[in-house]
Amino acid sequence: EAQVTQNPRYLITVTGKKLTVTCSQNMNHEYMSWYRQDPGLGLRQIYYSMNVEVTDKGDVPEGYKVSRKEKRNFPLILESPSPNQTSLYFCASRRGTANYGYTFGSGTRLTVV
Amino acid sequence: GDSVTQMEGPVTLSEEAFLTINCTYTATGYPSLFWYVQYPGEGLQLLLKATKADDKGSNKGFEATYRKETTSFHLEKGSVQVSDSAVYFCALSLYSGGGADGLTFGKGTHLIIQP
Repeated sequence: EAQVTQNPRYLITVTGKKLTVTCSQNMNHEYMSWYRQDPGLGLRQIYYSMNVEVTDKGDVPEGYKVSRKEKRNFPLILESPSPNQTSLYFCASRRGTANYGYTFGSGTRLTVV
Repeated sequence: GDSVTQMEGPVTLSEEAFLTINCTYTATGYPSLFWYVQYPGEGLQLLLKATKADDKGSNKGFEATYRKETTSFHLEKGSVQVSDSAVYFCALSLYSGGGADGLTFGKGTHLIIQP
């Protein structure tokens, strides 16, 4: 089954403790992206990657890092999480341009206390 | 910058009612337009799309027409079902020829269908 897999689904952590949210896709897509979803704000792009070793900032990159060492994986790293990073995070991938549509993961609900 | 505006709701309808969710956009070029749907506890799924003016996207009984003159992409369905209860996101994408063309989303419309 073609899918984007994120782990974990739920995570509660403390301020300042480094964490990584993993994302993996099995569709050989070049483009991958991370979004955060917040009430009243919709989805906002954090980082994206157009291919291996090619990453760039989205609209809200502060406090996040990413890497793209392999085509299938695109982890999101929070080096020193803060409470304002409490959110619902989605990883997505696509082939070609956005006209082909994105495949989204099921989401990771992160709480930073 | 580019933006998408949609009614936030919640929108509550009875089963078999007619649905319209309004979406308007602002963009510097000629975007592609999308509707994504998010069912409870799940990620977003592409519902339909239109890539140029006057195109009509359709899927699962839902339709939306790309109206360049009114910069709109309203979502419609003739007869909604309880299973249509979800959050609906309007989105646009602008391809800049070698640059990034990520999605710009509206804030989402929560639709509740009552039996």
